[in-house]
Amino acid sequence: EAGVAQSPRYKIIEKRQSVAFWCNPISGHATLYWYQQILGQGPKLLIQFQNNGVVDDSQLPKDRFSAERLKGVDSTLKIQPAKLEDSAVYLCASSLVSPEQAFFGQGTRLTVV
Amino acid sequence: QKEVEQNSGPLSVPEGAIASLNCTYSDRGSQSFFWYRQYSGKSPELIMSIYSNGDKEDGRFTAQLNKASQYVSLLIRDSQPSDSATYLCAVIGNNDMRFGAGTRLTVKP
Repeated sequence: EAGVAQSPRYKIIEKRQSVAFWCNPISGHATLYWYQQILGQGPKLLIQFQNNGVVDDSQLPKDRFSAERLKGVDSTLKIQPAKLEDSAVYLCASSLVSPEQAFFGQGTRLTVV
Repeated sequence: QKEVEQNSGPLSVPEGAIASLNCTYSDRGSQSFFWYRQYSGKSPELIMSIYSNGDKEDGRFTAQLNKASQYVSLLIRDSQPSDSATYLCAVIGNNDMRFGAGTRLTVKP
């Protein structure tokens, strides 16, 4: 079974630039999550999708972050404009229904300079 | 108040010893609890889940849950250097998963 795929693996941008991350969940997984993990901290949930609907985006900084999951499969997370404090690893995870048994992708390491 | 709290460590134990990792959570309505292991530069991987009070054993790992005390722990018996990693406690409340900051474990040969 293929795992959660994310791209790119690494990205370096200057502050105020835009960036987008892509995630392809495990086939058949209805629930998709985006987490932000700052160095030395645990993952913080940014947004949770159930199919193509948003279940929870309470911790998503909506003035600069946006996410979509068209057709209930792939998802993109965008930051526009980026700030220095956005430097982190962005993890995508998926699960069949609930957060249980969530499987993580390898993450995208973002550095904002 | 942090929703899920863990001692950041580092926790250092000798090879063969028992490593004890602890986690407390604030949402009394939480129902599901997980331990993830994260090697440096890698993504978290699920190693244990527990849903009811008591102990749950899987190989060298034992998860313990006490909902009255809002406390969950992970014991690693016969610790190996390959167990050196950050261990993340995760709790499901309101259908979303919240993580602690993680405890960094080092097992010394």
